[in-house]
Amino acid sequence: DAGVTQSPTHLIKTRGQQVTLRCSPKSGHDTVSWYQQALGQGPQFIFQYYEEEERQRGNFPDRFSGHQFPNYSSELNVNALLLGDSALYLCASSLPNPSEQFFGPGTRLTVL
Amino acid sequence: AQSVTQLDSHVSVSEGTPVLLRCNYSSSYSPSLFWYVQHPNKGLQLLLKYTSAATLVKGINGFEAEFKKSETSFHLTKPSAHMSDAAEYFCVVSESTGFQKLVFGTGTRLLVSP
Repeated sequence: DAGVTQSPTHLIKTRGQQVTLRCSPKSGHDTVSWYQQALGQGPQFIFQYYEEEERQRGNFPDRFSGHQFPNYSSELNVNALLLGDSALYLCASSLPNPSEQFFGPGTRLTVL
Repeated sequence: AQSVTQLDSHVSVSEGTPVLLRCNYSSSYSPSLFWYVQHPNKGLQLLLKYTSAATLVKGINGFEAEFKKSETSFHLTKPSAHMSDAAEYFCVVSESTGFQKLVFGTGTRLLVSP
């Protein structure tokens, strides 16, 4: 049983560019959450998707957007990249009701 | 608003000695509390969770935590540290109902020396 997978593993972009990160949830899970983990910090909640809709959003600007597909996989898009967007981006999948969230290994984004 | 405070950014122990990682929480609701571990270049792994059942929670790899409402604490302990326990540990809080937005602490790095 494959766990949560994310791609790519690493990514380097320059300021002003746009980036798309991808996540496939654990088998049987239909809810995907995204977190940003800056260096030396704990992960911060970006948003959560369920039934292809954004259910809740953290304190992130509109430059951060997402999408969930019918097969429950998800994308995180960040526009107009800033140096401060450099971080590890984590995807977590779960069932819709309160339950354990399973995390992927993350995508390391570096903005130069 | 919910939050957690991890009282130590770094904890150093010798192999075979006890581990104590401290966490205080703040929540307006009946909280769910978790400890996650993050090894270098690996994803977050759930160690244990408290969801209003028994206040002493046992997790994987010999870790346990005790929920103390009067002290708003959820400290993580292990009787005997192993070299493989060296990692970053996060205390996490969420609402016990509704969809689960996890609020992480800033982390405690556990260093284990031979």
